[in-house]
Amino acid sequence: EVHLLESGGNLVQPGGSLRLSCAASGFTFNNYAMTWVRQASGKGLEWVSGISGSGRSTFYADSVKGRFTISRDNSKNTLYLQMNSLRAEDTAVYYCAKTNPGIAAVEYYYYGMDVWGQGTTVTVSS
Amino acid sequence: DIVMTQTPLSSPVTLGQPASISCRSSQSLVHSDGNTYLSWLQQRPGQPPRLLIYKISNRFSGVPDRFSGSGAGTDFTLKISRVEAEDVGVYYCMQGTQFLTFGQGTKVEIK
Repeated sequence: EVHLLESGGNLVQPGGSLRLSCAASGFTFNNYAMTWVRQASGKGLEWVSGISGSGRSTFYADSVKGRFTISRDNSKNTLYLQMNSLRAEDTAVYYCAKTNPGIAAVEYYYYGMDVWGQGTTVTVSS
Repeated sequence: DIVMTQTPLSSPVTLGQPASISCRSSQSLVHSDGNTYLSWLQQRPGQPPRLLIYKISNRFSGVPDRFSGSGAGTDFTLKISRVEAEDVGVYYCMQGTQFLTFGQGTKVEIK
């Protein structure tokens, strides 16, 4: 069974940094692109970032480009999201998600989420 | 960008009765490869999203057969044949044909 467990969420001041982690199990991690999606309280879903199975290709939403960095350690089956220059509008629950071919078009493979973790909460406030 | 519009935004339903949610896209979701990358997600209160349906009508692993998807082009529907208490939550349509867009969500609650 696929299992994703996020950690690292916390209260941080505006301008601060945080690193989220997502430990994966139950599937061959390096065979799948992975993504981060966030959800502000009471709001809808916002895709944040994606990374190919090898880690060589990364993708970002315009709202986080230049501030967030996605990476993965395939030897540890772990996905990361380094968040710098945090703003109040980054406050949200952050979910990591596994992708699956067939959920999105092949050129947008990093959007094809099929299984989601429980999420970790990031609060940006002074 | 493709805009996804769901109706209704709120759907009070009676246990055991059917429910239906509509999702309309601002342009056709048929990809050049012939597939239509339209999915449905369920988010129960306090839970992460869960994939229910992909490519219009394919149920994801473990999804009960009371959930079904249909449609084509720009108009899509999620149906729950007999609503159960565990079906309460917000349902999102999601397209992955051209970039990624989510619908705004439909809240299903029990009358």
